[in-house]
Amino acid sequence: QVQLVQSGAEVKKPGSSVKVSCKASGDTFSSSTISWVRQAPGQGLEWMGGIIPILGTTDYAQKFQGRVTITADESTSTAYMELSSLRSDDTAVYYCAREWGIAVPGLNLSGMDVWGQGTTVTVSS
Amino acid sequence: QSVLTQPPSASGTPGQRVTISCSGSSSNIGTNYVYWYQQLPGTAPKLLIYSTNQRPSGVPDRFSGSKSGTSASLAISGLRSEDEANYYCATRHASLSGVVFGGGTKLTVL
Repeated sequence: QVQLVQSGAEVKKPGSSVKVSCKASGDTFSSSTISWVRQAPGQGLEWMGGIIPILGTTDYAQKFQGRVTITADESTSTAYMELSSLRSDDTAVYYCAREWGIAVPGLNLSGMDVWGQGTTVTVSS
Repeated sequence: QSVLTQPPSASGTPGQRVTISCSGSSSNIGTNYVYWYQQLPGTAPKLLIYSTNQRPSGVPDRFSGSKSGTSASLAISGLRSEDEANYYCATRHASLSGVVFGGGTKLTVL
């Protein structure tokens, strides 16, 4: 059973950066696409971007272009999401999610079928 | 404001059939598969429907998905109290180059 385990909660100052990790168990990392989705308090889901680890190809939402960097380390089956220039409205729960397949996020037929437990990022002065 | 439009709320009584709509455009729903996610309070989203009308293993056949043109729907039959959750549609958007989610629909079982 594939699992995605994320790093712990973070509290950051405005203007700083945060890096969240997402470790996949099992041997499916190389056959998967990993997306990052966030959810502000009381709000809906918002896709930030994704990566195809075996190809190193990234895909970012226009809103986050230039501020988010998604990387992956195949040797440890871990994906990372770094968000810079943090603002108070970046306070949210950040999820990683897997799609089975190596097409860009949203085009793998399986959908986001495995999700991490979420990482709470609080941005406050 | 979300690219995909969902009603903010829906409701039904146990045993009823409820439908949640998701309206998009030719740049997203019109040309791509649609996915539905269920999110219970305080938990991560769960995949409910993939490839517009397919159910993952373990999802009851009370849940079904469909699409017509630039709109998609999630139908829940034989409504149960445990179906009370937020539901999100999602698809790939061509020009925005990424995945887009609907704003979510809060389903209440009366």
